Amino acid sequence: KAGVTQTPRYLIKTRGQQVTLSCSPISGHRSVSWYQQTPGQGLQFLFEYFSETQRNKGNFPGRFSGRQFSNSRSEMNVSTLELGDSALYLCASSTGTASGNTIYFGEGSWLTVV
Amino acid sequence: GENVEQHPSTLSVQEGDSAVIKCTYSDSASNYFPWYKQELGKRPQLIIDIRSNVGEKKDQRIAVTLNKTAKHFSLHITETQPEDSAVYFCAADHSGYSTLTFGKGTMLLVSP
Repeated sequence: KAGVTQTPRYLIKTRGQQVTLSCSPISGHRSVSWYQQTPGQGLQFLFEYFSETQRNKGNFPGRFSGRQFSNSRSEMNVSTLELGDSALYLCASSTGTASGNTIYFGEGSWLTVV
Repeated sequence: GENVEQHPSTLSVQEGDSAVIKCTYSDSASNYFPWYKQELGKRPQLIIDIRSNVGEKKDQRIAVTLNKTAKHFSLHITETQPEDSAVYFCAADHSGYSTLTFGKGTMLLVSP
């Protein structure tokens, strides 16, 4: 069974640009969540989608957005990139059908903003 | 919202020793507590988890304990090996929506 797949793995963007990251969850999983990991702030929750609906959102500015498609694949977008957006962006999937579902992470997308 | 505190931030042990990492959480509604191990440049990998209706869970050399009254949970690694060296994160899910609040992490170094 394939794991959580994220693309691209590495990317470099310039301040002011926008970026789209993609995530394919484990087959059968309908919940996809996104996290930002930085050395200073650690792992922080961005948002979670289940069956194309955002169910929960973290404390990030509106420049960070996401969506989920009918096949459960998800994308997140960051507009007007800032240097501080440089981070590892992790996607996670779970069945999402009950509290305490095991959450599995992808390898992440390393974003560098210059 | 939920807040998870994790201690210590770094932990150095000799091979064969035990290691203990402690976390506290603030939201009494939290009911799921996973632990992840992250090696340098890799994704977090689930090593053990515990749900709020259980006080202790073991898996070979790894165990987790949960004290709901005190709102703290701990990871215990026995007979540590150099390959246990990594950053360990505790987390809590209070939303029921596959949403985790993470501790800041503990860098564990096991010396041969």
